[in-house]
Amino acid sequence: GAVVSQHPSRVICKSGTSVKIECRSLDFQATTMFWYRQFPKKSLMLMATSNEGSKATYEQGVEKDKFLINHASLTLSTLTVTSAHPEDSSFYICSAKPGGSSYEQYFGPGTRLTVT
Amino acid sequence: EDQVTQSPEALRLQEGESSSLNCSYTVSGLRGLFWYRQDPGKGPEFLFTLYSAGEEKEKERLKATLTKKESFLHITAPKPEDSATYLCAVQAASSNTGKLIFGQGTTLQVKP
Repeated sequence: GAVVSQHPSRVICKSGTSVKIECRSLDFQATTMFWYRQFPKKSLMLMATSNEGSKATYEQGVEKDKFLINHASLTLSTLTVTSAHPEDSSFYICSAKPGGSSYEQYFGPGTRLTVT
Repeated sequence: EDQVTQSPEALRLQEGESSSLNCSYTVSGLRGLFWYRQDPGKGPEFLFTLYSAGEEKEKERLKATLTKKESFLHITAPKPEDSATYLCAVQAASSNTGKLIFGQGTTLQVKP
């Protein structure tokens, strides 16, 4: 149980284009989903927290107009990197938190974004 | 400020050589402390949640313990397949979103 998927696993795009990454909780309903960014040999950096049906809460320094987050259902959240630039190249990971009293977060396998 | 510090940054062990990873934390009320394993190019895999001082949890060769200031991940007789980065994270009781604060991780290499 507690499986989270991400799609795509890898994506290469040209500078100036937009890329959408999907995060799905496969066997549970996620009231809250989180988006992280991870640089090589570094820990996870929280970008934003999203709750189903409401606007995402962004961490300080994260541009909300550049990283659009939509949490349209209890099993799906999307991250859209708009007008991507090479410095946006990174490993993006989502996590999902089941509803109720559970405190655990379950992570997706990550998406490697390369902007050329 | 809530903070998590892991040590050592890297650890090399021979197969069968037991050791411990440390996670020190400062948080304004602990809701939970979490251990994850991350393999290169993959997302973190959940291992344990600890909620209160004195609590211990075990899974195969791994055992996690918790005090009021730190947590240890004990690895008994490790095998090469235990090689990975181990991440520790805390959730503050004050958080109403479930936000996790991560340490920098300990990269473990187990040589045969």
